[in-house]
Amino acid sequence: AQKITQTQPGMFVQEKEAVTLDCTYDTSDQSYGLFWYKQPSSGEMIFLIYQGSYDEQNATEGRYSLNFQKARKSANLVISASQLGDSAMYFCAMREGDNYGQNFVFGPGTRLSVLP
Amino acid sequence: DTGVSQNPRHKITKRGQNVTFRCDPISEHNRLYWYRQTLGQGPEFLTYFQNEAQLEKSRLLSDRFSAERPKGSFSTLEIQRTEQGDSAMYLCASSPKENIQYFGAGTRLSVL
Repeated sequence: AQKITQTQPGMFVQEKEAVTLDCTYDTSDQSYGLFWYKQPSSGEMIFLIYQGSYDEQNATEGRYSLNFQKARKSANLVISASQLGDSAMYFCAMREGDNYGQNFVFGPGTRLSVLP
Repeated sequence: DTGVSQNPRHKITKRGQNVTFRCDPISEHNRLYWYRQTLGQGPEFLTYFQNEAQLEKSRLLSDRFSAERPKGSFSTLEIQRTEQGDSAMYLCASSPKENIQYFGAGTRLSVL
């Protein structure tokens, strides 16, 4: 079974609008971490945001927020006020186990295109 | 802070040749990771070092692959007897703590 599912291969959003990128995950661990990375065409993976499984509040980093719904096992990324530079691949990832575990799994990604 | 550095950026080789990639992590990051990414896919975990100790290896890492981090600083990933299926982007990441990984720009390998 897929550990990380991103059901949107591609998304379009108008500049200055908000967009939500979906991510669902599968784990039986109680302790885990969820991450979002951005990969522009240059290829470098850029860390965006992190959510721990025990964090009670949704994580926010500037224009990025993570809508964490633990019971539904979803960790959607919300980008507010989209900019042209946000056009890129976006990957959801999960670290299973406690902080001493290093098993990272990435989803297949969503390609976001921001339209002027 | 120069970030995670990977060399070379591109490598073209003939099938059956050996190749070696280098990763220089962010200084003082004691954790280092290697991933493989094929076109249209997310990165796949290959192996992980804490300091000089290789603590985890993926099943993807066949016996043709070997990774080292001899002094707990830079790391090398070697692929012996390359096959066309080895063509991919090889990504290195480093981390100062368990959560956030910082990635390099990757080495793109093309096996002809």
